[in-house]
Amino acid sequence: GESVGLHLPTLSVQEGDNSIINCAYSNSASDYFIWYKQESGKGPQFIIDIRSNMDKRQGQRVTVLLNKTVKHLSLQIAATQPGDSAVYFCAENNDYKLSFGAGTTVTVRA
Amino acid sequence: EAGVAQSPRYKIIEKRQSVAFWCNPISGHATLYWYQQILGQGPKLLIQFQNNGVVDDSQLPKDRFSAERLKGVDSTLKIQPAKLEDSAVYLCASSQQSSNQPQHFGDGTRLSIL
Repeated sequence: GESVGLHLPTLSVQEGDNSIINCAYSNSASDYFIWYKQESGKGPQFIIDIRSNMDKRQGQRVTVLLNKTVKHLSLQIAATQPGDSAVYFCAENNDYKLSFGAGTTVTVRA
Repeated sequence: EAGVAQSPRYKIIEKRQSVAFWCNPISGHATLYWYQQILGQGPKLLIQFQNNGVVDDSQLPKDRFSAERLKGVDSTLKIQPAKLEDSAVYLCASSQQSSNQPQHFGDGTRLSIL
């Protein structure tokens, strides 16, 4: 799979490999984080969330890691499939408001 | 469970005209949000309702945008008069209570200003 240390606007990954999408958040007081997937012409779709008292959470084929020391969030997708092609957004909750990052466009190569 | 419903899906108007969007949130969700998503960017919160009261409208351009949520269920967002820079997708989302719970989005209304 491909690993990126900094946020990149695009990520190309081979089908079957693992994907890692990174996100740097801005506010150390943020207490709740969500990853969304957005396909063309559709609204953002909830993937997985994590609260600030955790550093890892797993779902079906996805894992979210939270590093509060460096204000970094990542989404790992196992065995990437063509249906995973989309734009992925991280969002942080602070002061009852959700703020979205710039998004990463993931393209899965057959 | 039915998702968030929005209409219309697309709207094309000329600048200085008015337009309205409608949203029906997930049944039982107390909190409703309107977002603006400009092409290539993440959604930006415009207004947040808790039941029929406004929690946050600090990012809403109040000289031209207005929103209401009568009876604490459906909501409408209006733009009057529209400007070219209002071209965007307007997304509605809802959550059970506050913003530290998952927000579920509708598919949005794509607005084009000519």
